[in-house]
Amino acid sequence: QQQVKQSPQSLIVQKGGISIINCAYENTAFDYFPWYQQFPGKGPALLIAIRPDVSEKKEGRFTISFNKSAKQFSLHIMDSQPGDSATYFCAASTASKLTFGTGTRLQVTL
Amino acid sequence: DSGVTQTPKHLITATGQRVTLRCSPRSGDLSVYWYQQSLDQGLQFLIQYYNGEERAKGNILERFSAQQFPDLHSELNLSSLELGDSALYFCASSVLSVDGELFFGEGSRLTVL
Repeated sequence: QQQVKQSPQSLIVQKGGISIINCAYENTAFDYFPWYQQFPGKGPALLIAIRPDVSEKKEGRFTISFNKSAKQFSLHIMDSQPGDSATYFCAASTASKLTFGTGTRLQVTL
Repeated sequence: DSGVTQTPKHLITATGQRVTLRCSPRSGDLSVYWYQQSLDQGLQFLIQYYNGEERAKGNILERFSAQQFPDLHSELNLSSLELGDSALYFCASSVLSVDGELFFGEGSRLTVL
């Protein structure tokens, strides 16, 4: 059972544009929502994370928007750069397990 | 560099064989996690150990087993391998047993022929 649904599967954005990746979850016990970034040949690395007591968190060009009632959260990448080209995974965790979405392959073109 | 070391980086073997993947966590991290990444399944959680004890289990097949040793390194054993077991296997570590930031190794790519 896929507990975290992520979309789109792939995304192409022009340099300077806004990249938006969406995730939805089912389990209301989830209490931590991180985003991981993975470059080819590398393991995922934590990018930014949010807890459900806030609706938005911003770190530089990266923003998480969180809607608890809709059980949805999204990653916005402002002023997208070619160096942002990677696979992005949303995730959700309870105390014992981190569940990942299926990933979004982002390509930022010149 | 995340500080998590995985060996081997690449492994090619035949169906029916058994392999062992090794993971050394970041210094000081007590929790080790194993994930399987395939093209169409994303990152699938297999199992977690905390300070030598199994803490959580995910979609780990009975043909697979893992353990964490007193020095905190971990091994994932895959037996009776099938073509469908071909994937990237990631190890991650964290300080606490409660999930927070996980630090991932670069993975072991297993190819079963």
